[in-house]
Order: sequence, then structure tokens, then C-alpha cells
Amino acid sequence: AQSVTQPDIHITVSEGASLELRCNYSYGATPYLFWYVQSPGQGLQLLLKYFSGDTLVQGIKGFEAEFKRSQSSFNLRKPSVHWSDAAEYFCAVMSLMNYGGATNKLIFGTGTLLAVQP
Amino acid sequence: DTEVTQTPKHLVMGMTNKKSLKCEQHMGHRAMYWYKQKAKKPPELMFVYSYEKLSINESVPSRFSPECPNSSLLNLHLHALQPEDSALYLCASSRESGGRWSTDTQYFGPGTRLTVL
Repeated sequence: AQSVTQPDIHITVSEGASLELRCNYSYGATPYLFWYVQSPGQGLQLLLKYFSGDTLVQGIKGFEAEFKRSQSSFNLRKPSVHWSDAAEYFCAVMSLMNYGGATNKLIFGTGTLLAVQP
Repeated sequence: DTEVTQTPKHLVMGMTNKKSLKCEQHMGHRAMYWYKQKAKKPPELMFVYSYEKLSINESVPSRFSPECPNSSLLNLHLHALQPEDSALYLCASSRESGGRWSTDTQYFGPGTRLTVL
């Protein structure tokens, strides 16, 4: 079955430091991967997505992610964290479901809560 | 523009009330979704509408009743809810669902915070 694992429940970094959030997926075919960010009490904002092509994907707010098929990973990175980056980050894989007609479903990881120290 | 709007932002209701949540998008998307999110958990899919037809119901209790009156609007009617239904309810939309992968990226609204007393 398809699944997404985010091994780190909570991460704290200092402002200006670099950041890497880990995401591992389990999927039989070529995965279609996403990173979303959620500020407290808010909806999810799409940071970036990977469908095919270049394995290094650039997103909004200075984030990037690298798809590594050999490691089944899609880690999110940012070279210098800002206090406004404090939020919950969700990695997700798109899974094709067949309910008598094909529909895509997002399978989310459990999320990583990022805290930023001054 | 990738905006999905949801109203109301907050809703408090008793267990005998009937209320509705509303979601709207004007991006020309033909797939719309309802998710439920409990605190410190990822969103859980409830319903998917594709071309205004219900295509997924993830075994949601009948006290939640979705409706898609047109391609821009998605409602969630609530009746006889339980306190454990208190959560953030998120709406999302995508250009398609089940079609080409690149068109299925989901864009989320800000959510409705529901409290059931």
C-alpha cells in the first residue's frame, strides 16, 4: 500500500540556519510528490510538487526538494530559515484510486512541526 | 490565481443543529474535495466530487451530507453532529481528478473551524 513517512515529528532550528525536512514514500510506480505548509489554524499551502523531469524542484518561499528514487525520498530544504517559516509541513504522494472511475487521492505523512528560534 | 474560499471561518453548533459549510473556487476546476483535520494530524479525505458528481465517499457518517450545486461551489451540510466531529474542515480543488497527473494538483482553502457542543 502507498504510504508517506515523515520521521521527524518536531524540529527546532535557529533563524538563518539551514533546514532539511525528511520524507520517505512507498509507492509501486513513479510517485507524484508534494510538500504543503500549514500555519496554525490555516489551510494548506502548496510549496512545491514533483511529477517528472528534473529531480531538484524549486518551490515558493525559497524552498526546494530533491527526489531520490534510490532512497525513496523527497526531502525539503531551505538554505536560510526565517521566523515566518515556523509551521507544520506535510509531505504527500498522489495515489490513483479506482472507484468505478479513476480518481486521485493525496496520501499525507503525519507532518513535521517546525519551530524557529531567534 | 489559486484561491479557494471557505465560509464561515468559525462555527459553533449544538448537537441538534443543522448548519452548512460553503466552499467556492473560480479557477475553472472540475474536482472538489472535503477533508477533515483533527489537531496535530494530517487531513483525512471525506468526499471527492468530479464534474459535479460524487466520486469518492470515504465511509463518512450520514450526518455529513455533501452537495455540489455547480462546478464552482461545494457545500457540506451538517446535522446531528457529535462533539468528536469538532475539527478543521478543509476544502480543496483541482483542475481534474483521475486524469493527467499534472492537472490533479490540489489547492486548499483556509478551512472552517467547527466546534460541536
